[in-house]
Amino acid sequence: NAGVTQTPKFRILKIGQSMTLQCTQDMNHNYMYWYRQDPGMGLKLIYYSVGAGITDKGEVPNGYNVSRSTTEDFPLRLELAAPSQTSVYFCASRRFSGGSSTDTQYFGPGTRLTVL
Amino acid sequence: TQLLEQSPQFLSIQEGENLTVYCNSSSVFSSLQWYRQEPGEGPVLLVTVVTGGEVKKLKRLTFQFGDARKDSSLHITAAQPGDTGLYLCAAMGSGYSTLTFGKGTMLLVSP
Repeated sequence: NAGVTQTPKFRILKIGQSMTLQCTQDMNHNYMYWYRQDPGMGLKLIYYSVGAGITDKGEVPNGYNVSRSTTEDFPLRLELAAPSQTSVYFCASRRFSGGSSTDTQYFGPGTRLTVL
Repeated sequence: TQLLEQSPQFLSIQEGENLTVYCNSSSVFSSLQWYRQEPGEGPVLLVTVVTGGEVKKLKRLTFQFGDARKDSSLHITAAQPGDTGLYLCAAMGSGYSTLTFGKGTMLLVSP
C-alpha cells in the first residue's frame, strides 16, 4: 500500500492564480481531511469528508473548495491564490470505526505552497 | 472547539538527557493522541491514551494521561538525535469526526 499520496510536493503560485492539490489514499478509508500547517501554529483543519459525496468545513475553509467523488480521492482547490495561503498542506485519511475516538489518522507527505 | 496548550514550544537538549513535554486543556478528552512529525514529512501517530491515569510506554517514550483526562505528558528518557522532531498532541472532537491539534513542541537533540 502506498498509503496517502499528495501531489505536487512543491508549488509556487502568483497572486490570483488557481490550482488543485491532489490527494489519494489506497486504504479504503471513509474519512479524509485537509490541513494547513504554518510555522509555530500546529495543524488547522480546512475541510473534511466522511465519505464520497459528503464534505464539511473545518476551522479555516475560506479561500478553498473540495470535492469527494470517489472514496480514494479528495482534491483541494484554491481559486484565487493569496499570500496568506502560503503554507504546507497535509492530506490525511482515517477508517472511522463507529463511535471510536482512538482511530489513527494517516498523513501524506505534504505540499509546500508559496504564493507570491 | 477544544484548545490544547503544549509546552514548551521549543526544547534543545544534548543526547542522553531526559525531557518532558506537556499538553493541557480546560476540557475533558475522550481520548488524546500524540504524533511525531519529522522535517519534511507528515505527522505519524505514536500513541493513543483513553483512560484517566493511563500510562503507556513506547521504548524510551512514556505517555501519561491525567486522572481527570484534561492533560497529558510525554517523557523521553536518554534522548537521541533520532528523537528530533515536532511533537503534537491531538484530541478528538465530541462527534468523533475531527481532531484538534496543539501547536506542538519542537525538540532538537544534539549529538
